[in-house]
Amino acid sequence: KNEVEQSPQNLTAQEGEFITINCSYSVGISALHWLQQHPGGGIVSLFMLSSGKKKHGRLIATINIQEKHSSLHITASHPRDSAVYICAALLGGADGLTFGKGTHLIIQP
Amino acid sequence: DAGVIQSPRHEVTEMGQEVTLRCKPISGHDYLFWYRQTMMRGLELLIYFNNNVPIDDSGMPEDRFSAKMPNASFSTLKIQPSEPRDSAVYFCASSWNREGVQYFGPGTRLTVL
Repeated sequence: KNEVEQSPQNLTAQEGEFITINCSYSVGISALHWLQQHPGGGIVSLFMLSSGKKKHGRLIATINIQEKHSSLHITASHPRDSAVYICAALLGGADGLTFGKGTHLIIQP
Repeated sequence: DAGVIQSPRHEVTEMGQEVTLRCKPISGHDYLFWYRQTMMRGLELLIYFNNNVPIDDSGMPEDRFSAKMPNASFSTLKIQPSEPRDSAVYFCASSWNREGVQYFGPGTRLTVL
């Protein structure tokens, strides 16, 4: 069982919809990252969280340390948001990031 | 800064050949990470360096893989001999600290025939 689980694996939505992607992890963490990978393959770091909530434009990331859960929200989604979103956690005791399998998001016009 | 630079962007080689992937991190970043991405396993950490010193290489699949960082601005990942199952996209990333935001290079798509 992967220590970092993401859901859903695939998500198709209409332009303008509010999107939520979930990430849960099994042990304590020191940091959690949300990454975006576009169809061309490049990976961009969206957020790094250790507590609370962060917002950047239409993107919002939250984390609940007690529940071992994080969410990535996209408001007013747009076709250019179509990408794979990857959750990655720096698990307690580990030296490097453990990655979720990713959520493949498609926003249709 | 130009960001993390990787070369080559694409590499096609035959089984048994030596492959060397290169990475130039962002200047001033103390941490450098090598990752591999496959359809089956997703992204996996192979090895990371702090101030040019390898800290954790537990993700390196086997002795055929080796990584070096001779100075703060250059790292290599070498596979010798290469095998078809090594086909993947290899990413290099750098950051100021272990927990912080990581900046990824464009990746090297390796195909071993």
